[in-house]
This record gives sequence, structure tokens and C-alpha cells, in this order.
Amino acid sequence: GQQVMQIPQYQHVQEGEDFTTYCNSSTTLSNIQWYKQRPGGHPVFLIQLVKSGEVKKQKRLTFQFGEAKKNSSLHITATQTTDVGTYFCAGGIYGNKLVFGAGTILRVKS
Amino acid sequence: NAGVMQNPRHLVRRRGQEARLRCSPMKGHSHVYWYRQLPEEGLKFMVYLQKENIIDESGMPKERFSAEFPKEGPSILRIQQVVRGDSAAYFCASSPQSRGGVTEAFFGQGTRLTVV
Repeated sequence: GQQVMQIPQYQHVQEGEDFTTYCNSSTTLSNIQWYKQRPGGHPVFLIQLVKSGEVKKQKRLTFQFGEAKKNSSLHITATQTTDVGTYFCAGGIYGNKLVFGAGTILRVKS
Repeated sequence: NAGVMQNPRHLVRRRGQEARLRCSPMKGHSHVYWYRQLPEEGLKFMVYLQKENIIDESGMPKERFSAEFPKEGPSILRIQQVVRGDSAAYFCASSPQSRGGVTEAFFGQGTRLTVV
């Protein structure tokens, strides 16, 4: 079946350092979505990328969608303690199905 | 427009009892997903439903677990004869019908199931 692999599983960074999480799919995706889940909370939608090679920015967050529409990355510049949480990618499979990666847990030391 | 509503937020069951988890999707949303999450782990897909149809249940255990999304009323995830290993957070998400492909999913706050 369709799989979306996400690495790393955990990342501990010092406040002010950068952070990147990567997502790879075994099949071509219709789109890629990113979600953030704060500790004890529920996943909240951040962004959706649809076009091959698309890059979108939200303040310190940069999202990329690969040319083959099989991989994606989320990069956070100069992390802050408010960035703590788990970041999930979710691949849109043709037919209206979302397949989530396992998530990357980000911890930020101040 | 209320968000995705899940109830109960917390549920405690003894081993062998049944657990019923409810999810009311956002108004106008016809797609419902159920996910399970253990502490410090990712979201594990369980089932994807549209109104009155199970589209994909490849993540559901073959025994004791069932899900439905009736024409009227909330989606129900039912776990029969619960065991300690069923303790987890169960999240429901909904999304609207879209001709352009899958769109943003809105998550409920989850039901934390504890089996004692």
C-alpha cells in the first residue's frame, strides 16, 4: 500500500538553531500537506503544496514539494520554544485519501 | 461553523468492555478519517469513510474494531472487548468533497481511551 516515510523521528535543537524534517512517498502524490501537533493537542493544518517544485514560506517556515511530487521538506529557521511539537506530513493520494507520515518530534532547548 | 467534535474527550473502560467513540465532522464535510496515536508516536491510519461507505479500512485490526458513518448522525468507532493495548488517543478528521483531490483535513480534539 501507499507509504509516507518521515525522518528524523526526533530532533532536539538549541533555541536559535535551524530544523528540517523530510518526507518521502513510495508513490506520486496529488499534494502534500503539513500539520503541527502541540504536546497534548491535536494536529492542526499548516499548509498544502500542490505543484511540482513548489516552495511556500510562512514567516520562519519554508515548505518544499519535490519535482517528482514524491518528497517534501519543512525547514524552520532560528527555532523558538514555541516551535515545540510534532510535525507531520500527509500525502494526498488520488481518490481523496490522506496518508500521514509518522511525524518528527521537535524539542527546543532554551 | 463548529469544528470537528469528538466525544467523549476521555474514556475509561475495564478490560472486556466496549468503547464507543463518536465524531461529528464539520458541516458540509463528507469524508471522515480515524487515526490512533500512542504517546510520543505518530498518527496511525485506521479507516477512511464517506457517508454510509467504508472506503479504506486497511489500518483497522480485523477483530474487535468497527467503524461506521451513517447517513444521519456522527461517525462511530467501536472497540469491543477492549484490552490494555487499546489505550491510546483516537483522532477523527474530516474533509470536504473536492473534485481537485484531497483537501485539508480538520482534526477533532481526540478521545483519550484508557483501559484499566
